[in-house]
Amino acid sequence: DAGVTQSPTHLIKTRGQQVTLRCSPKSGHDTVSWYQQALGQGPQFIFQYYEEEERQRGNFPDRFSGHQFPNYSSELNVNALLLGDSALYLCASSLGNAGGSPLHFGNGTRLTVT
Amino acid sequence: AQRVTQPEKLLSVFKGAPVELKCNYSYSGSPELFWYVQYSRQRLQLLLRHISRESIKGFTADLNKGETSFHLKKPFAQEEDSAMYYCALGAYGNNRLAFGKGNQVVVIP
Repeated sequence: DAGVTQSPTHLIKTRGQQVTLRCSPKSGHDTVSWYQQALGQGPQFIFQYYEEEERQRGNFPDRFSGHQFPNYSSELNVNALLLGDSALYLCASSLGNAGGSPLHFGNGTRLTVT
Repeated sequence: AQRVTQPEKLLSVFKGAPVELKCNYSYSGSPELFWYVQYSRQRLQLLLRHISRESIKGFTADLNKGETSFHLKKPFAQEEDSAMYYCALGAYGNNRLAFGKGNQVVVIP
């Protein structure tokens, strides 16, 4: 079992550009959550996808959007990148979105915006 | 709103000494509390959750609703306990988590 896999591992973008990050959940999981972890901070919830719909959203602007595919994999898109978007982006998967199933995290994508 | 506070950023302890990581939370509903750990060059992983009421790797944590705390404890620290520890809060029936800023634990041989 490969667990949660994320790609790419590192990414460098310029202000104003757009970026897409990808996540494949752990085998058997159907829910994907995305977190942003700034340097020295804990992960902060961005949004969660279940049954191909955004189910919950944290305090992030509309520049942050996502998608979930029928195979449960997910993408995180960020438009009009700002320097402050530089962070580690974590994907976490679980079985169902109603609690009870612990989150399994990927290794993250390190995004640097210059 | 859900909020988690972990007051100490860095905790250095000698091998064999007790470890206690403090976690306080703020939430008006029914909370679910977790401790996640990240060892060097590894991914974030669940250490324990309050509803399981179990000891993992010698660590325990008791939810105190009166003090809104979920402190993590281990009586005798081992070198392999050196890691980053995050306290996380969820709402009952909802696996959206709010994380604290984390504690870096360094166990000195």
